[in-house]
Amino acid sequence: QSALTQPASVSGSPGQSIIVSCSGTSSDIGSYDYVSWYQHHPGKAPKLIIYDVSHRPSGVSNRFSGSKSGNTASLTISGLQAEDEADYYCNSYTTTSTRVFGGGTKVTVL
Amino acid sequence: QGQLVQSGAEVKKPGSSVKVSCKASGGTFNNNAISWVRQAPGQGLEWMGGINPVFRTTAYAHKFQGRVTITADEPTKTAYMELSSLTSGDTAIYYCAGPPSYYYYGSGNYYPFEYWGQGTLVTVSS
Repeated sequence: QSALTQPASVSGSPGQSIIVSCSGTSSDIGSYDYVSWYQHHPGKAPKLIIYDVSHRPSGVSNRFSGSKSGNTASLTISGLQAEDEADYYCNSYTTTSTRVFGGGTKVTVL
Repeated sequence: QGQLVQSGAEVKKPGSSVKVSCKASGGTFNNNAISWVRQAPGQGLEWMGGINPVFRTTAYAHKFQGRVTITADEPTKTAYMELSSLTSGDTAIYYCAGPPSYYYYGSGNYYPFEYWGQGTLVTVSS
């Protein structure tokens, strides 16, 4: 199972919106709505920010939203803030009952 | 609020094995399903495998098949990940992760990872 494909980096100015894409195949993202997104600050445990494509856990800012079209999932961060600077990872369930992460995207707030 | 507490850092020789534990404490945990995720230096997150103790099922990433064993002890709410035939490429932080208490996943392995352990650094060096 190959890793999902994410851009290495995405940047934006405070207040702007950015989109992080996550490209998979018909064996993972394309087959299920079990896509989740994680925010990871270095030295800390990852944090769940989106699950089942577009659902936000309690306590996660509504500036984070998720969507999916075909084999590609997307994470949108609206009203970008300095605290959003982190690494972001997508994850999907697969047709072999395993899980796969994306390679990660470094989000920089300019 | 519950938490997952992992065992401490390990230093291992190439060719040896390591066993990392992950204990659920406090709060309400959802049937104790646990996945293991690692992050090597400068690399991204990598799913290694998971266990669903209620249904007694395990799943492993193809990359680690034959080298990783994930077990769980339900009475103590502790999961274990054992990785054998270690090489320097296995030097990484190993995390355990579990589902939200509100999420139904039955016998499946598709739950999101809401709870995370603090991570265990495993260093493989001669």
